[in-house]
Amino acid sequence: DTEVTQTPKHLVMGMTNKKSLKCEQHMGHRAMYWYKQKAKKPPELMFVYSYEKLSINESVPSRFSPECPNSSLLNLHLHALQPEDSALYLCASSQARSGFVYGYTFGSGTRLTVV
Amino acid sequence: AQKITQTQPGMFVQEKEAVTLDCTYDTSDPSYGLFWYKQPSSGEMIFLIYQGSYDQQNATEGRYSLNFQKARKSANLVISASQLGDSAMYFCAMREGSQGGSEKLVFGKGMKLTVNP
Repeated sequence: DTEVTQTPKHLVMGMTNKKSLKCEQHMGHRAMYWYKQKAKKPPELMFVYSYEKLSINESVPSRFSPECPNSSLLNLHLHALQPEDSALYLCASSQARSGFVYGYTFGSGTRLTVV
Repeated sequence: AQKITQTQPGMFVQEKEAVTLDCTYDTSDPSYGLFWYKQPSSGEMIFLIYQGSYDQQNATEGRYSLNFQKARKSANLVISASQLGDSAMYFCAMREGSQGGSEKLVFGKGMKLTVNP
C-alpha cells in the first residue's frame, strides 16, 4: 500500500460550519504534513507532525486545528472559515533513510469551498 | 528571499521531443534534497525524481533525469521523449534539513508544460 488517502475529495461549507478533513497512510511513515494550495500557486506548508507530535506550525490561524490520533491518521478540523480559505488541501507523508527524507507521498487532496 | 526559482511560466514541446525544465535554488544548509513533482489538473502531486545534496551522480528515473549542478545551484529536470500525458504543472521543491518531521519542503512557483501532438 503506497498511497495517502484523503477524504472527502470535495467539500463545500458555510462560514459557521464545523468540518474535518481526513488523511490516512499505511506505509509506516512517521512524519505527516498538511499543505494548502490556492489556484495557480504552489503548495504552502501548514503543519508538520513527527511521531504523532506537532513539530511545525507555520503560523496558521486557529480556525484550522490539526490532530494526529495515531501514526496512520491525520485530521484537519475546520471552524469559522472565511471564503479566502477556499483552496486545495493536500496531505503528505514522508520516508527517511539515515536521517534524510528522500520521498514525500501526497494524497490527491480535498478541494474546499467556503461559502 | 525566494528559495526555489522557476523562471519559465510555461513551455510548449512537440510529442517525442526532449524538454528541460529549469530550477535554481538557494540555501546555506549543506544537507538538502531537491525534488520534482508533476501536478495534472486533477490536483494530485506526483513524485518524479529526487536528488540529495551529497549524491555524486545525477538522478534518473525512467524518462526523467535531473541535471544537478551544485556549484551553480541548479537542478533542471530533463524529460526525454515527451508524451501527451506529460502536459501538467511541474514543481521543483527543496527539502532543507535532514530529519523527517523537522524539515520543510518548499516549492517553487511551478511551470506549465504543454505537449503538442
